[in-house]
Amino acid sequence: AQSVTQLDSQVPVFEEAPVELRCNYSSSVSVYLFWYVQYPNQGLQLLLKYLSGSTLVKGINGFEAEFNKSQTSFHLRKPSVHISDTAEYFCAVSRYMEYGNKLVFGAGTILRVKS
Amino acid sequence: DAGVTQSPTHLIKTRGQQVTLRCSPKSGHDTVSWYQQALGQGPQFIFQYYEEEERQRGNFPDRFSGHQFPNYSSELNVNALLLGDSALYLCASSGGTGPQSTEAFFGQGTRLTVV
Repeated sequence: AQSVTQLDSQVPVFEEAPVELRCNYSSSVSVYLFWYVQYPNQGLQLLLKYLSGSTLVKGINGFEAEFNKSQTSFHLRKPSVHISDTAEYFCAVSRYMEYGNKLVFGAGTILRVKS
Repeated sequence: DAGVTQSPTHLIKTRGQQVTLRCSPKSGHDTVSWYQQALGQGPQFIFQYYEEEERQRGNFPDRFSGHQFPNYSSELNVNALLLGDSALYLCASSGGTGPQSTEAFFGQGTRLTVV
């Protein structure tokens, strides 16, 4: 079974500072990894994904993440955050199976950007 | 191109009642998944529908059932509502084959409150 651990429940950061949101996963097989963002009272929006290829993945809104297989991590980073980045971020893992696949989510990290 | 649409956006029901939530997938997608997101938690997988059949199911009781129609839209039904069923219910659609089929696009969700 797969599982995801987001190591920080809340991350406060000042505007224009860099930020890293940490995500570790456990799985006995190869997986695919995702980061989603959720603004208040809204659904989930895909930020970026790792399916294969380069371990450094770039997404929308200036976010990027690095897949580290040996450390089973997929940390999300942004070099300079804006007030508008305040939201909750979810790391998720999946694997392709012919009879269906599902996303397993972490508990989420609330990013609070302060001016 | 319309994304994933869900209805209604909000719903208040009384304990013991039954509820039906609806979802239309993103154009070109043939697979629909449902997730429950309780307050302060990450989304939990309920089940997935493909070709009008339940393909995979999470750890939810039989009170949760679903249906997929020939046009790929889907319904989530919950019987005998409990206070603990209060949550944001998210629909996600996906399509294609291989790893790309693990990428899910989410709707805005239906906020269900059981009183």
